[in-house]
Amino acid sequence: QLQLQESGPGLVKPSETLSLTCTVSGGSISSSGYYWGWLRQPPGKGLEWIGTIYYTGSTYYNPSLKSRVTISVDTSKNQFSLKLSSVTAADTAVYYCARHIYYGSENDVFDIWGQGTMVTVSS
Amino acid sequence: IQLTQSPSSLSASVGDRVTITCRASQGIRSYLAWYQQKPGKAPKLLIYAASTLQSGVPSRFSGSGSGTDFTLTISSLQPEDFATYYCQQLNSYPYTFGQGTKLEIK
Repeated sequence: QLQLQESGPGLVKPSETLSLTCTVSGGSISSSGYYWGWLRQPPGKGLEWIGTIYYTGSTYYNPSLKSRVTISVDTSKNQFSLKLSSVTAADTAVYYCARHIYYGSENDVFDIWGQGTMVTVSS
Repeated sequence: IQLTQSPSSLSASVGDRVTITCRASQGIRSYLAWYQQKPGKAPKLLIYAASTLQSGVPSRFSGSGSGTDFTLTISSLQPEDFATYYCQQLNSYPYTFGQGTKLEIK
């Protein structure tokens, strides 16, 4: 069945760029109707949607992070990636990638999630 | 769109019927999902489209509502149901979550 796996450094220095990759296995990232998203959860806090990408490269970002976020896709590797620039301690969180079912209907949802990866911003 | 869950925490016993409420700051039709999260784990989808049960989720979970007021009900709590529950709106960007409801054993 479809699985997602996040990978990337667990420690990033303040002001640097956080880079994570999500590898999709058991299915194609280019499947119609499936988008791919990044979300995060600071320690002990709630969930925040970061952004979503379609395999064509169309992206949608949370305005609160838009100036610092870039999400890209590599269909040849069945991967999509997150870059978050100028990080601070406030960006310390568990980062999740997830499949985003998007039809522009009430059935839209994030149905399959990766296990998450903890990223700490510290010098 | 802000989502406000109530209560923020809840103590209950095995076998109890539990209801969690999610209120949206503006109408979101039925574009609402519910997730369950256990410590150290990713959220798990329970319900989408406000009331549609995700495949494989036990039927003791149910959802209702549309517009601004939504509920998640667990008809008879099981030991594995003690977790934190989140609602999420997908009516418009940016997608937002409620602050969570922590369900604890009494």
